[in-house]
Amino acid sequence: EAGVAQSPRYKIIEKRQSVAFWCNPISGHATLYWYQQILGQGPKLLIQFQNNGVVDDSQLPKDRFSAERLKGVDSTLKIQPAKLEDSAVYLCASSRRDISGSPLHFGNGTRLTVT
Amino acid sequence: AQTVTQSQPEMSVQEAETVTLSCTYDTSESDYYLFWYKQPPSRQMILVIRQEAYKQQNATENRFSVNFQKAAKSFSLKISDSQLGDAAMYFCAYIRLRGTGNTGKLIFGQGTTLQVKP
Repeated sequence: EAGVAQSPRYKIIEKRQSVAFWCNPISGHATLYWYQQILGQGPKLLIQFQNNGVVDDSQLPKDRFSAERLKGVDSTLKIQPAKLEDSAVYLCASSRRDISGSPLHFGNGTRLTVT
Repeated sequence: AQTVTQSQPEMSVQEAETVTLSCTYDTSESDYYLFWYKQPPSRQMILVIRQEAYKQQNATENRFSVNFQKAAKSFSLKISDSQLGDAAMYFCAYIRLRGTGNTGKLIFGQGTTLQVKP
C-alpha cells in the first residue's frame, strides 16, 4: 500500500509571505491529521479531519493558518502571513476510522524555514 | 488534559546491549492506546510498538518490548540487542478512544534521542 504523500519536502520563505503544503493520505483512510513539529520537540496537533469535516482545530492559529480537505481525500495546509516562529516540520498523518486503536501513518513531512 | 512526559532527552547504548526509554502519562480515561514511534533523520514517524490499555500483557515486537504499568501510568520501551539502525528520536504517544473507532487525538511526548555506539 502506498504511504502518506506530502509535498514539498522543503520550503524557504520570508516572513509575511504565504505558503501551502499538500498531503495525500493512504487510500481508504478517513481520518487525516496535520501536526507541527518544532525542532527538538514532539509533534503538536494543528487540525484533525474526519472525511471532509473538522474534528479538532483547537490548536490551529486561525488568524494565519487554514486547512481544507476537499472531497475527504487530499488536504492542503496554508500559512498566510508566515512568522519566524512558524519554522518547523509539518507532518501529515492518516488513519482508518473503523479500527479501534489503529495507528497513525505519517508522511515524510515538509520542513519550513521562515527567514 | 492528557499529557505525555519523557524525562530523558538523550540516551546512549553500546551496540548489542539493551536500553530502556522511559515514558509517563497523565489521563483520567480508562480506554486508550499507547504507542512508541521512531523518527530517524529522514523525519518520517515509524510505528515501533502499540499497547492497548485494557490488556495486562506487555506488547512485544521482535527486539522491542514495553513495560506497561497502568496504575503508575508508566510505559517504558526496552530495546534489546541494539543495532546501529536503532539510532533515532523516539516518541511516546497516547490516544484516547472516543466511542467506536479511533477518532481521538494522538498526543506526543517531547522525545528521547537514542545514540547507538559501535
